[in-house]
Amino acid sequence: DQQVKQNSPSLSVQEGRISILNCDYTNSMFDYFLWYKKYPAEGPTFLISISSIKDKNEDGRFTVFLNKSAKHLSLHIVPSQPGDSAVYFCAAIKDDKIIFGKGTRLHILP
Amino acid sequence: DTGVSQNPRHKITKRGQNVTFRCDPISEHNRLYWYRQTLGQGPEFLTYFQNEAQLEKSRLLSDRFSAERPKGSFSTLEIQRTEQGDSAMYLCASSFGPLGYTEAFFGQGTRLTVV
Repeated sequence: DQQVKQNSPSLSVQEGRISILNCDYTNSMFDYFLWYKKYPAEGPTFLISISSIKDKNEDGRFTVFLNKSAKHLSLHIVPSQPGDSAVYFCAAIKDDKIIFGKGTRLHILP
Repeated sequence: DTGVSQNPRHKITKRGQNVTFRCDPISEHNRLYWYRQTLGQGPEFLTYFQNEAQLEKSRLLSDRFSAERPKGSFSTLEIQRTEQGDSAMYLCASSFGPLGYTEAFFGQGTRLTVV
């Protein structure tokens, strides 16, 4: 069963606008949530994380929001840049393992 | 240190052959993880080591798969009698301590194609 779900396979956003990537999870026992970014032919690169005891974490253009009651998190990228075009994986940590969603492909349009 | 290194980057093999992949983690990272990613899916956990001890194996890891980390440094993943369903990207990651407190760094992966 899919414990981490990314229901949007792809998303297109105009350069300079806000990109919002969404993720839902089913296991309320997850300790941390992560976002990874992946370019073709490369391994995933860590982007930002949030502990399950917090509801927001910000790092430069990237902000992750956690809504525990809805079991939902989102990644906001503001402003979106061409180099942000990649596949973004939502992930959770449980028992020292990373559980990934299927990913959302983000296209930044000129 | 140049990060997590995986070799080879690509491997094409005939069905039924054995293949072995190597992962060199970041120096002093005591934890090493293997993941597999198929088309349209996120990476799926296979197994992980703390130093030389293999602490957990996923049920995805059939008897044809074996992983080792003999001296707590590099690791190998061997697949015996490969099947077409084994075609995937095999990713290795390492971390210095438990995940959440530290991040996992991934290598570029080994892409396996079984023909």
